[in-house]
Amino acid sequence: AQTVTQSQPEMSVQEAETVTLSCTYDTSESDYYLFWYKQPPSRQMILVIRQEAYKQQNATENRFSVNFQKAAKSFSLKISDSQLGDAAMYFCALRTDKLVFGAGTILRVKS
Amino acid sequence: GAVVSQHPSWVICKSGTSVKIECRSLDFQATTMFWYRQFPKQSLMLMATSNEGSKATYEQGVEKDKFLINHASLTLSTLTVTSAHPEDSSFYICSARSSLLGGYTFGSGTRLTVV
Repeated sequence: AQTVTQSQPEMSVQEAETVTLSCTYDTSESDYYLFWYKQPPSRQMILVIRQEAYKQQNATENRFSVNFQKAAKSFSLKISDSQLGDAAMYFCALRTDKLVFGAGTILRVKS
Repeated sequence: GAVVSQHPSWVICKSGTSVKIECRSLDFQATTMFWYRQFPKQSLMLMATSNEGSKATYEQGVEKDKFLINHASLTLSTLTVTSAHPEDSSFYICSARSSLLGGYTFGSGTRLTVV
């Protein structure tokens, strides 16, 4: 079985500052993918970033980057230069034969 | 890009009736469809996985006779909530995966309210 744990129910960040969202996971599979999804109030799921487990290099997408620590089974998301539009629920997800989500972290951005 | 159209976006039904939710992949073939349920401010809970032309595989604790899933074609999957009760009220989201494209494309969700 695979599990995803997000230990931060809510986080706040000042506009233009940096924030890191935590995620740990567990799986017995060697081949898997990790994702961060954003869910704004519209509830549409938006892919933020993905990481293949076999790649050692951390994925980066503009202001979003991850810190992937495979041995520790940790996959944190760093958002730099936070913007008001980044406010949303963020889900960490693990894919093996199916996609499983963590509990989510509500991110609030203060102006 | 890949788009999944989910309808209806919201529905209100009476207890005891059935409701059908559709997800269509508009510009790709969805070999696998996942159905999720989400309560307010909570995570997406996987209900079932369906592959085109096969019976759905349900997660533990999900009643297969209550949540009927059909994936008869590569572009259409449906979830029917049978004999709905107020506790079935929730947000339901589909996610399609293409064996060619990889990745997951989510529908926009359906808010079901049973009164």
